[in-house]
Amino acid sequence: SAVISQKPSRDICQRGTSLTIQCQVDSQVTMMFWYRQQPGQSLTLIATANQGSEATYESGFVIDKFPISRPNLTFSTLTVSNMSPEDSSIYLCSGGTGVGETQYFGPGTRLLVL
Amino acid sequence: QKEVEQNSGPLSVPEGAIASLNCTYSDRGSQSFFWYRQYSGKSPELIMSIYSNGDKEDGRFTAQLNKASQYVSLLIRDSQPSDSATYLCAGSRGGGSNYKLTFGKGTLLTVNP
Repeated sequence: SAVISQKPSRDICQRGTSLTIQCQVDSQVTMMFWYRQQPGQSLTLIATANQGSEATYESGFVIDKFPISRPNLTFSTLTVSNMSPEDSSIYLCSGGTGVGETQYFGPGTRLLVL
Repeated sequence: QKEVEQNSGPLSVPEGAIASLNCTYSDRGSQSFFWYRQYSGKSPELIMSIYSNGDKEDGRFTAQLNKASQYVSLLIRDSQPSDSATYLCAGSRGGGSNYKLTFGKGTLLTVNP
């Protein structure tokens, strides 16, 4: 399995500002992903973080709002830009490793936008 | 749109009983399926993965997959209060960028002492 850390663990931000979330994996993974989990809801994939190239975004998510970097195999960042209260959510990164690309999740970043 | 549907719950069982969690999926291209457990305020934790038709057992947990019926289930035997959590079913097509997971909405399980 992979051990995944994220920081910050939580933050309270003002609307119109941006927050960058960092994700670090303890071993090399093939795939890294970013998910959002809104209160009381399931997980929704934001994008696949690709090493050294632009992320692949899911429908409804755009690079200008959620820029993602992955400079190497074990590190990725997600920025939530120009935040509004609707961005209040838990943001989770995951890493895929091993047979079947089983994904393991980080502890999440709890974001509240006022 | 590729969807994963779970029985809505909430599901309540007495301690020691068998809890049965069900999931159907619409994408026939899905190859891999996963059950995650999520405690309140925590991130999802992998319980089981299953890739082939049939049953896969791990301790008190048994995952079942029927690709013809597009059906996945999770049985929890001898349920314990510590099993109380939301259980998420997820599927993926596998292969390259298709390893992304599609999650169901989750089923809240409560095990009563």
